Amino acid sequence: DADVTQTPRNRITKTGKRIMLECSQTKGHDRMYWYRQDPGLGLRLIYYSFDVKDINKGEISDGYSVSRQAQAKFSLSLESAIPNQTALYFCATSDPSGKGTDTQYFGPGTRLTVL
Amino acid sequence: GNSVTQMEGPVTLSEEAFLTINCTYTATGYPSLFWYVQYPGEGLQLLLKATKADDKGSNKGFEATYRKETTSFHLEKGSVQVSDSAVYFCALRGGISQGGSEKLVFGKGTKLTVNP
Repeated sequence: DADVTQTPRNRITKTGKRIMLECSQTKGHDRMYWYRQDPGLGLRLIYYSFDVKDINKGEISDGYSVSRQAQAKFSLSLESAIPNQTALYFCATSDPSGKGTDTQYFGPGTRLTVL
Repeated sequence: GNSVTQMEGPVTLSEEAFLTINCTYTATGYPSLFWYVQYPGEGLQLLLKATKADDKGSNKGFEATYRKETTSFHLEKGSVQVSDSAVYFCALRGGISQGGSEKLVFGKGTKLTVNP
C-alpha cells in the first residue's frame, strides 16, 4: 500500500462549489504539506503543518484552507472554487532526521478541474 | 529569499545520450539541495540530494555535485534510457542554523523525453 494517499485522484467541479481534498499517510511523519503544480511554474506551497497544532500559510494560501485532523490526515479545502484553481495538487510528508535533509515524500496527486 | 533556477525544457534525447540539466540557486547560508523526479501520472520522488559543498549525490546512474562557488547543482547522466523520461525538479532547503526556511523551494521543472 502507498505511504501517502490522496483522494479523490480526479475531480471536476463548478465555479463557486466547495471542494475538499484529502491526504492520509502511514509513514508516521509529523510534517505535512500541500502544493499545487501548474505547467511551467513548478510546485508552489499552499499550506504546511509541522504537527497537529501547527498550521502555516505557504506562498499561495489565498482561496484555500486546511485542517489537520490527526497526525496522519491533512485536508485542503477550496471554499468557493474558481477556474484558476484548476491544477494538480500534491500532498507531501517529511520527517526531519536531525541531519538537516528533510526529504519529502509525495502522494500521487489530485487533478482538479474547475469549470 | 531563496530561489532555484533550472534550464527550461523540454529536452529530447536519443537513448544512450549524455544528459545535463542545469540548476543554479540563490540562498542564504548553507542550503541542502535536491533533485526530484516525476514520472508520468505519478507524484514526485527524491532522486538524489547533497547537504554540503562539494558533496556528490548519486542514484540510478544520475549524479549532481553541490558547487558552492558557482551556486550550482547540475544533474548529469552518462547514458540515458527511455525509462528516464520524466520531469526533473531541482529543489533547495535553507540551512536551519543560518535561520533558513525549513520549506523546500522548487525550480519550475525540466521535462525530459528519451527516444529509442
